[in-house]
Formats: sequence, structure tokens, C-alpha cells
Amino acid sequence: EVQLVESGGGLVKPGGSLRLSCAGSGFTFSNAWMRWVRQAPGKGLEWVGRIKSKTDGGAIDYAAPVKGRFTISRDDSKNTLYLQMNSVKTEDTAEYYCTWPGPTFDYWGQGTLVTVSS
Amino acid sequence: QSVLTQPPSASGTPGQRVTISCSGSSSNIGSNAVNWYQQLPGTAPKLLIYSNNQRPSGVPDRFSGSKSGTSASLAISGLQSEDEAGYYCAAWDGSLIGRVFGGGTKLTVL
Repeated sequence: EVQLVESGGGLVKPGGSLRLSCAGSGFTFSNAWMRWVRQAPGKGLEWVGRIKSKTDGGAIDYAAPVKGRFTISRDDSKNTLYLQMNSVKTEDTAEYYCTWPGPTFDYWGQGTLVTVSS
Repeated sequence: QSVLTQPPSASGTPGQRVTISCSGSSSNIGSNAVNWYQQLPGTAPKLLIYSNNQRPSGVPDRFSGSKSGTSASLAISGLQSEDEAGYYCAAWDGSLIGRVFGGGTKLTVL
């Protein structure tokens, strides 16, 4: 059974940093392109970015609002995806989901809540 | 402002057929496949339709998707109370080099 479990969310002050993790199991993590999506309270879904598998070049793309502040990385030896969030802003407050998208499927974790507030 | 445009709300009575639209442009819907997601309150989104009109295993055939030009739509027939949820369209945008979502449509079953 495919499982994606996010962790690391919490309360952080504006300008601060936080690192989210997403542990994957039940599939070959190293072959998977992974994605982060967020959802502000009461709002819609917003793509944060994605990382390709190393065998496919490992390229990383980011959404404009987070480019230069957030960094996506992966540790295939630990089957874990990361989202390093720096210089956070109040508008980064959201539930953060990691997802494994495929041609005929799209698995999502349960999400981890990040609240940016002083 | 979302890149893909959806109506904020839709409604229907049990048994009815409802349609939710999603409008984009040549750089997203016009040139890439559309997915639809269902999000029940307090839960993560679930893939409902992929590649414009394909249903993942387990999704009832009451749900169907279509695409024409730079627009897509999701149809739900035989509406049921458990269909009350948020629905989102999504597509890759080749100009933005990123995935874009619609703003979401809240479906109410009256």
C-alpha cells in the first residue's frame, strides 16, 4: 500500500525557517517524481514545486511565489522528500501536501500544517 | 487569481446531473492533459479524473470528464449526498513551467 506521511509543520515567525519531510513507502521512491502542493485555510490548491527522479535528471521546478525562498530535495536512501522553507511570510500559512503523481494515479499524504505568525 | 477559472459554487438535487467548468489557455489546458480532484471536508484531495476523461480504478462511472480547446468540464450524474465536496481542475502550464489549479468549485447537494 502506498503511503506518504508528512511531518515538520508547526508555528514559525515571519522571516524564520522550517523544514518539512515526507516519508514514502509502498513504492519505488527513487523512481518517483515528487511534488509539494499547499492549501491556505479556506482557499484552493496551489502547486509549490516538484523534483524529478535522479534517473530522469533530478531537475527541480518551483512556483513563482516560493522561488528563491523554498528548496525541494530528496534522500532516496531514506525514501524521504524535503521542503526547506526560508524567509517565510504570513502568506505561506497553509496545509502542505506531498504527492506522488503518475500517468494514471496521484497519491497524496495527509498534509502538515504550517502557520506563520508573530 | 487562479490561472484556471472555475465557478466558485454549484448545486443540484439528488439524482440530477451537474457540470463544473474549467477555463484556461493555450499554454495549459490547450496543450496539456487535465486532471480533476475531489476534496471532502477535512481530507486530502483525491484524483477523480486524469488525462481529461479517464477514471482511476474505484471512481464510479457517474463521474466523467471532457476537454475542448482551452476548456474542460467535469460532469457528475445521479448526484448523491456524498458528492458534496470541493472540486478542482489542474493542468501543467508550459509557459509558467509549473502545474496550475483552478480556484475550486464547492458543490452543494440540496
